[in-house]
Amino acid sequence: AQKVTQAQTEISVVEKEDVTLDCVYETRDTTYYLFWYKQPPSGELVFLIRRNSFDEQNEISGRYSWNFQKSTSSFNFTITASQVVDSAVYFCALSEANYGQNFVFGPGTRLSVLP
Amino acid sequence: EAGVAQSPRYKIIEKRQSVAFWCNPISGHATLYWYQQILGQGPKLLIQFQNNGVVDDSQLPKDRFSAERLKGVDSTLKIQPAKLEDSAVYLCASKSSGGTYSSTDTQYFGPGTRLTVL
Repeated sequence: AQKVTQAQTEISVVEKEDVTLDCVYETRDTTYYLFWYKQPPSGELVFLIRRNSFDEQNEISGRYSWNFQKSTSSFNFTITASQVVDSAVYFCALSEANYGQNFVFGPGTRLSVLP
Repeated sequence: EAGVAQSPRYKIIEKRQSVAFWCNPISGHATLYWYQQILGQGPKLLIQFQNNGVVDDSQLPKDRFSAERLKGVDSTLKIQPAKLEDSAVYLCASKSSGGTYSSTDTQYFGPGTRLTVL
């Protein structure tokens, strides 16, 4: 069955520090998709990235980077030089291509970036 | 491009009352989802529509929850009667296709409706 674990419930960092949010997943499928969403205090889930299971290349987008490792079933998210505006709850999600294509979200990690 | 619209943004009711939420997905998006997000948890899927048909409602408490998407565009989620444990944010999401994943297959979320049941 699908499962997403985000072991870090809350993280606090000081502005300009780097921070990594962990995501570990379980799936029975060989084709699956991993996502990260940001949920700021306003409540709307903002899409950040999607990766498919066949593409293990790491990705960088500005201050954001993602490290996908199938060997450890992990899809970690790093924010470099964090800013106060990065404060939010971050969710990792998994969708299996052959078993319903529905999302399973992790419990989320609340990131607080202090000035 | 307009995003997913939801209304109302906030609703307070007493237990055993009824409530309805409305969602208008991104134009042209065939697939629509309703999620329940309890405070401190990740969203949990309630129901998925493909056009006006139900794809998955296995986690919808059908004794009290119902949803429809009659014309394949906007959707309504109803709770009747509400219980205290229904207090949550109800999120609507849409994506463009319902089949094999393509580059456009990402779910986009609305702002949610925060329901408080007293």
